[in-house]
Amino acid sequence: AQTVTQSQPEMSVQEAETVTLSCTYDTSENNYYLFWYKQPPSRQMILVIRQEAYKQQNATENRFSVNFQKAAKSFSLKISDSQLGDTAMYFCAFGPNFGNEKLTFGTGTRLTIIP
Amino acid sequence: GAVVSQHPSWVICKSGTSVKIECRSLDFQATTMFWYRQFPKQSLMLMATSNEGSKATYEQGVEKDKFLINHASLTLSTLTVTSAHPEDSSFYICSARVGGSQTQYFGPGTRLLVL
Repeated sequence: AQTVTQSQPEMSVQEAETVTLSCTYDTSENNYYLFWYKQPPSRQMILVIRQEAYKQQNATENRFSVNFQKAAKSFSLKISDSQLGDTAMYFCAFGPNFGNEKLTFGTGTRLTIIP
Repeated sequence: GAVVSQHPSWVICKSGTSVKIECRSLDFQATTMFWYRQFPKQSLMLMATSNEGSKATYEQGVEKDKFLINHASLTLSTLTVTSAHPEDSSFYICSARVGGSQTQYFGPGTRLLVL
């Protein structure tokens, strides 16, 4: 079974600064997907970024980028030029590359952007 | 694209009554939908996987007779909480997976309060 670990329960950073959220996972599979989801106070889960394990290039979406280290089983999220709207819970998730298998979520990191 | 709706967003009911929650994929067909439960300040807990035209697959510890799931079409899945009790009060979230992808898109959630 896969496990996902987010070791930072809470983080805070000044507006406009850069912050990195960590995520490690454990799996015996070679092909899989990794995701970062954001859950703001509205509690709507929003997909932030997605990485396919067979791709060596790190995924990027505007101010959001990941550092995917497959051998180390690490998948950190970097938020550049942080904005007040980035305040949210961030969940890292692992998804197998086959069938109707479920996502495995980490416990989340509560990020607060300070004005 | 990839919008998922949930209805209702809020429901308050008396103990012993049944409550139905709808989850719709608005702009894509979803052969697989997922139902989660989330307690305050915790991660998502998968309750069941719903496949169109077949019986749902429930996670260990989830009572299938209490949480009835119907996935009658490629755009609609319903969760019925039967004979609800106060301990069923929670935040319920659905997600839908785009065919051929492991990416799940989430609905806005339903807050259930059982009195």
